[in-house]
Amino acid sequence: QQQVKQSPQSLIVQKGGISIINCAYENTAFDYFPWYQQFPGKGPALLIAIRPDVSEKKEGRFTISFNKSAKQFSLHIMDSQPGDSATYFCAAQGGANNLFFGTGTRLTVIP
Amino acid sequence: NAGVTQTPKFQVLKTGQSMTLQCAQDMNHEYMSWYRQDPGMGLRLIHYSVGAGITDQGEVPNGYNVSRSTTEDFPLRLLSAAPSQTSVYFCASRNTGTTEAFFGQGTRLTVV
Repeated sequence: QQQVKQSPQSLIVQKGGISIINCAYENTAFDYFPWYQQFPGKGPALLIAIRPDVSEKKEGRFTISFNKSAKQFSLHIMDSQPGDSATYFCAAQGGANNLFFGTGTRLTVIP
Repeated sequence: NAGVTQTPKFQVLKTGQSMTLQCAQDMNHEYMSWYRQDPGMGLRLIHYSVGAGITDQGEVPNGYNVSRSTTEDFPLRLLSAAPSQTSVYFCASRNTGTTEAFFGQGTRLTVV
């Protein structure tokens, strides 16, 4: 059973456009929601993360929006660039426990 | 600092063979874990360890064994490889009480 559901599976965006990836969870014990970025042949690396006490977190062109009541969160990439082309994973963690990942979104930014 | 180092990077096994995937970290992290990555499935937790001598099962532990004799090393053993274990395996570590997980570069395993 997938603890974190992620969509879409793949996304193609024009350079300069906005990329949006959505995730949903059920376990209310989760209290940490990171996004990881993975380039081909590499391991995932932390991109940005949020805790449920805030509704939005922005770091540069990357923003997480968090809706606690709906148990949903999303990643927005503004002004998408070809260098953003990668696979993005949302994840969720409860306390000091394990990290559960979504199924991933392959983002392609077309020049 | 090398971070998290996994060896080998690629491996081909025959069905029924055994092997050990190595993982070492030099950040003195207590928590280490193994994930497998399959298309459309994301990363699924195989086994994890919260410190030397302590290991536990994750979401998909069947067919895999782990041990943690030192803080630095967390090897993953395939006892009798099966084609269903064809995957990319990632080792990760973090400090207990912190949240950022650091991943190795992965081992691509093919079982024929």
